[in-house]
Amino acid sequence: VQMTQSPSYLAASPGESVSISCKASKSISNNLAWYQEKPGKANKLLIHSGSTLQSGTPSRFSGSGSGTDFTLTIRSLESEDFAVYYCQQYNEYPLTFGSGTKLEIK
Amino acid sequence: EVQLQESGPGLVKPSQSLSLTCSVTGYSITSNYWGWIRKFPGNKMEWMGYISYSGSTSYNPSLKSRISITRDTSKNQFFLQLNSVTTEDTATYYCARAGLPGSWRYWGQGVMVTVSS
Repeated sequence: VQMTQSPSYLAASPGESVSISCKASKSISNNLAWYQEKPGKANKLLIHSGSTLQSGTPSRFSGSGSGTDFTLTIRSLESEDFAVYYCQQYNEYPLTFGSGTKLEIK
Repeated sequence: EVQLQESGPGLVKPSQSLSLTCSVTGYSITSNYWGWIRKFPGNKMEWMGYISYSGSTSYNPSLKSRISITRDTSKNQFFLQLNSVTTEDTATYYCARAGLPGSWRYWGQGVMVTVSS
């Protein structure tokens, strides 16, 4: 399953809201995870099952979608949110990832 | 708290084998699923394979017969071996523990491996 993630780069200001898209090449039901990558830190699972927040994920993060189209939305950006985000499908093997979105401070 | 730590050589010569260790604390590797994932320069991520709580394995077909994941339950470690490496295997290698099967709840910080003569 090919995962197409967009945009690859996003610049925003603290307090703004942003959305990241992830499209699967075939239906993956809701078997999608979102991860956050920050330098020097272990990757963090933010959302699984398309929209379920992992314990500890702030409520300003939300995930939506099913089938082939998914979105990660971050409301009221905080400084700690500037990072790289990946989607990953786990509906079938081999597991596959999106190409990543780098979210930078404007 | 579950913690994972990758270790191994940072430089491997082409045609040789890449061998990495993932040391786990705070959770037994005889439970759950344990995987290896790598990130290439340019940020493409690739799932390589996993070893399960029972010792069964699953690998990415793209790696064909080059990959082996094993474990030592007495040391609570699992291992990655990738044979016949080329420069295209240059990447940061991560070990991880599953959350829901197929998603990765806990990650190590990664180890960068360069394949070069």
